[in-house]
Amino acid sequence: DTGVSQDPRHKITKRGQNVTFRCDPISEHNRLYWYRQTLGQGPEFLTYFQNEAQLEKSRLLSDRFSAERPKGSFSTLEIQRTEQGDSAMYLCASSPTGRGHEAFFGQGTRLTVV
Amino acid sequence: AQSVTQLDSQVPVFEEAPVELRCNYSSSVSVYLFWYVQYPNQGLQLLLKYLSGSTLVESINGFEAEFNKSQTSFHLRKPSVHISDTAEYFCAVSGNQAGTALIFGKGTTLSVSS
Repeated sequence: DTGVSQDPRHKITKRGQNVTFRCDPISEHNRLYWYRQTLGQGPEFLTYFQNEAQLEKSRLLSDRFSAERPKGSFSTLEIQRTEQGDSAMYLCASSPTGRGHEAFFGQGTRLTVV
Repeated sequence: AQSVTQLDSQVPVFEEAPVELRCNYSSSVSVYLFWYVQYPNQGLQLLLKYLSGSTLVESINGFEAEFNKSQTSFHLRKPSVHISDTAEYFCAVSGNQAGTALIFGKGTTLSVSS
């Protein structure tokens, strides 16, 4: 197992376009998290899945953002009508079920909206 | 809800000097505490974690952190730093209920020079 994988690593898009990112978690991990990180800031929590169920969403996740994990394996994060303020690193993490397990992070997808 | 405050955004030190990176948290429930490290151009990696038991936890590369419940702190220390410790360090907290998301501080940049 090679860890959490994210695709693409970099994405440049024009304002107003839609983008979709993919995350493949560590195979035996039931939990999957999405975070956003901007320069000089820590990762900000966006949303969290337990298997295919989306259990928690941050206020940061506006109605232009949607995340899915259809079969409890990989997940996608879609941003519709991108804005320049969406430019950030989008991080995916996964962890096993249970308390106190640390999250394992992918390398992230860097989004630049021009 | 939980929150994390990292009191120093940047900490410059000379090689072989001791260092302390400060972290305070706020929570209405019992917590788990974590320190993550992000080396330049790499993903987030777990450095150490406190779940329960001994309040002093150690990492394999000489860092340690002490959970202080009365002061709601989880400061990270190393008695003698190396150039290779230069990185961004993030303190994170989660509630001890199963499935609570990990909340990060804004990070501290540790710069070690010779």
